Amino acid sequence: QSVLTQPPSASGTPGQRVTISCSGSSSNIGSNTVNWYQQLPGTAPKLLIYVNNRRPSGVPDRFSGSRSGTSGSLAISGLQSEDEADYYCAAWDDNLHGVVFGGGTKLTVL
Amino acid sequence: QVQLVESGGGLVKPGESLRLSCAASGFTFSDYYMSWIRQGPGKGLEWVAYISDRSTYTNLADSVKGRFTISRDNAKNSLYLQMTSLRAEDTAVYYCARELLTTGSPFDIWGLGAMVTVSP
Repeated sequence: QSVLTQPPSASGTPGQRVTISCSGSSSNIGSNTVNWYQQLPGTAPKLLIYVNNRRPSGVPDRFSGSRSGTSGSLAISGLQSEDEADYYCAAWDDNLHGVVFGGGTKLTVL
Repeated sequence: QVQLVESGGGLVKPGESLRLSCAASGFTFSDYYMSWIRQGPGKGLEWVAYISDRSTYTNLADSVKGRFTISRDNAKNSLYLQMTSLRAEDTAVYYCARELLTTGSPFDIWGLGAMVTVSP
């Protein structure tokens, strides 16, 4: 049981816009920033979004993030087949004094 | 280039010990907090431990507290995870990761991972 809650799956067709939610609590997302990771099959995770809505160099602007209250959200616009991957949200937790992850969302491009 | 390479994984029996290493290159290792994160077979990511740049602060997840120890040697650009009293549920790929120098502990560089299998 993960501390942060994500839907286990999401899907969309090429060109569509998809959003993935991440629900937490006052001790994590409610008081700290949200980060998102993309994990392609068989590879290590890659930082996709940090500090709620910032993109590391090289991440396309099709990916965007937001935070509101105790929830975060990842949006992918102009969906492409190469976006098919697992997506994880994460945040610092003040009670656990460590990073907590969501259970991951498997994105399928139909 | 900026790189992290884990080593030391393998197959061990329940109750045994193992030490993972992570060699850093391409950046000033001593400037960064570092973490270990693991992923069980077919499962999600689980943060395991972090250590501050000068080793002043460390913390471990409750699931490994009392059994695992995180340490680093800045002179050798290396991060370590000493694992004792291993259990079947510790079976996972263990990643070392660098924390970006900003709020919220984002991990911007990850190694390829080291597989640890705990089985009789």
